[in-house]
Amino acid sequence: GQQLNQSPQSMFIQEGEDVSMNCTSSSIFNTWLWYKQDPGEGPVLLIALYKAGELTSNGRLTAQFGTTRKDSFLNISASIPSDVGIYFCAGLKGQNFVFGPGTRLSVLP
Amino acid sequence: EPEVTQTPSHQVTQMGQEVILRCVPISNHLYFYWYRQILGQKVEFLVSFYNNEISEKSEIFDDQFSVERPDGSNFTLKIRSTKLEDSAMYFCASRDLRDSPLHFGNGTRLTVT
Repeated sequence: GQQLNQSPQSMFIQEGEDVSMNCTSSSIFNTWLWYKQDPGEGPVLLIALYKAGELTSNGRLTAQFGTTRKDSFLNISASIPSDVGIYFCAGLKGQNFVFGPGTRLSVLP
Repeated sequence: EPEVTQTPSHQVTQMGQEVILRCVPISNHLYFYWYRQILGQKVEFLVSFYNNEISEKSEIFDDQFSVERPDGSNFTLKIRSTKLEDSAMYFCASRDLRDSPLHFGNGTRLTVT
């Protein structure tokens, strides 16, 4: 099947640090999305990527669509307490989005 | 900003009962989805719906599940005879164009006792 892997599974960082996480697959995807999920809520879209090699920013967040189309990366600069949550990548193949297992981010003050 | 809305936010039901989860997608969107998330796990695809029919479904979406768009605004997920393992958050999502991103509702927490 079309599986997505995310690493790390979880991370603890100090407020103000930069964060990097990635999403990989054995399959090619045409679109990559990054979402953040807070407890008890639905995933909220952070960044959408549509072309291999594309680098897109949204405030302190930057994401890249890998050139092989099998991976994507999300960076968060100067983390703040409200960055806490689970970050999911999702890849589009056909009409269906497949989600990774998530990276759980904890920010220590 | 337009939102996907889901009701109820929490549904408790007894095993074997039927439940209907309701969603109002964003009004100009054309593609509709249901996803499921068991507590602490990843978001799993159930079904996609376009042009008044199911376009794709996962192996989770067995004969106990059905979807309907009964009018121009609602999109429902029915589980005919709930099982304990159906307990999860159920998320509705929609998008407008073929390659556009998904927008999620806040989910319905289904608890089967």
